[in-house]
Order: sequence, then structure tokens, then C-alpha cells
Amino acid sequence: KAGVTQTPRYLIKTRGQQVTLSCSPISGHRSVSWYQQTPGQGLQFLFEYFSETQRNKGNFPGRFSGRQFSNSRSEMNVSTLELGDSALYLCASSPELGISYEQYFGPGTRLTVT
Amino acid sequence: AQKITQTQPGMFVQEKEAVTLDCTYDTSDQSYGLFWYKQPSSGEMIFLIYQGSYDEQNATEGRYSLNFQKARKSANLVISASQLGDSAMYFCAMRHSGGSNYKLTFGKGTLLTVNP
Repeated sequence: KAGVTQTPRYLIKTRGQQVTLSCSPISGHRSVSWYQQTPGQGLQFLFEYFSETQRNKGNFPGRFSGRQFSNSRSEMNVSTLELGDSALYLCASSPELGISYEQYFGPGTRLTVT
Repeated sequence: AQKITQTQPGMFVQEKEAVTLDCTYDTSDQSYGLFWYKQPSSGEMIFLIYQGSYDEQNATEGRYSLNFQKARKSANLVISASQLGDSAMYFCAMRHSGGSNYKLTFGKGTLLTVNP
């Protein structure tokens, strides 16, 4: 079974631009979560989607948004990019919602904002 | 608020020896799950092991075992017979239930270096 895939793997953008990152979960997984990883803040939860509905959102500004499609694929969008948005963005999928379900992570998208 | 603490920013171990990576957690929930992930320099997070809060037995997965002490709120990862490929960042995480929310909260991580 194929793992979680994320595209693109690397991205360089300029301040003020917007960016869309894509995540395809493991086949059959219905929950998709997004995380931001930076050296200073570590891994921070962005949001989680299940059955096309956002179930939970982390403490990020409204410039960060996402959505999930009927095939469970998910996208996240960051508008008006700032230098501090430079990070590794990780997507993870789970079969269902629940505390016992481990999340399987993709390879990440490394975003650099200049 | 839920919190994960990993007090060892870096650890060194000799190849073939065992190593324990510390993790303590703070939660008021009765039901939660504890996870360990490995992140090599490539960046991908690899799931290692899971322990449920109601599990009485410590979890084991091959060379990985989780030393779960619920009263002390600790969930230490033990890696037996370390290998050079074990050199990576290790994260302890907790998945808890807050209504319909099941987000993972991560610790800051421990960088493990295995020396030949």
C-alpha cells in the first residue's frame, strides 16, 4: 500500500505570495492532519480534517487554511507569506479519528520564503 | 493543557548498546494514547510504537519497547542493541480526546547519535 504523498517536496516563494500544498493520504484513510515544523517552535499542529470537515484547528492565523476533498486528499493554503512561514510542512493520515490510531506521515514539503 | 516534555536534547550511545529516551506528559484526560516517532535527517516521521493509557502491558515492537509508568506520567522509549541507522531525532507524542478533537501533541525531541 502506498504511503502518504506530499507535493511539491520543495518550494521557494517570496514574501506576500500565496502557496498551496497537497497531501494524498494512504488509501482508505479518512483523517488528514497538517503540522508545521520549525527549529524554534518544533512540531505544531495546524488542522485536522475528517470526511471533508475541519475537526480541529491549531493556533495559527487565518492566513493558514485547508480543505479536504471527497477522496480524502487534502490541500493547505498559506496566503500573504511571511518569512516566518519558512518551515517543513508535514501531512499525516489516520484510518479514523481516535486516540489509538497512529498517524502516518508523508515526507513533507519544505517551504522557503525569501 | 496537554504537554509533552523530553528533557534530553541529545543522547549518545555506542553501537549494540541499549538506550533510554525520556518522555513525561501532562494531561487531565483519563483516555489518551502515547506514541514515539523517529525522524531521520531526510525529514519523514516514522511511527515506532504506541501505548494506550489503559494498556497494562508495556508495548514492544522489535527492538523498541515503551516503559510506561502511568502514575509518574512517563513513557520512556527503550531501544535495545542500537544500530548506526538509529541515529535520528526521536519525538514523543500524545493523542488525547477533547470532544471530537484528536490532535497529536509533540515534545521537542531528542537527537540520538549512535557511535560505531
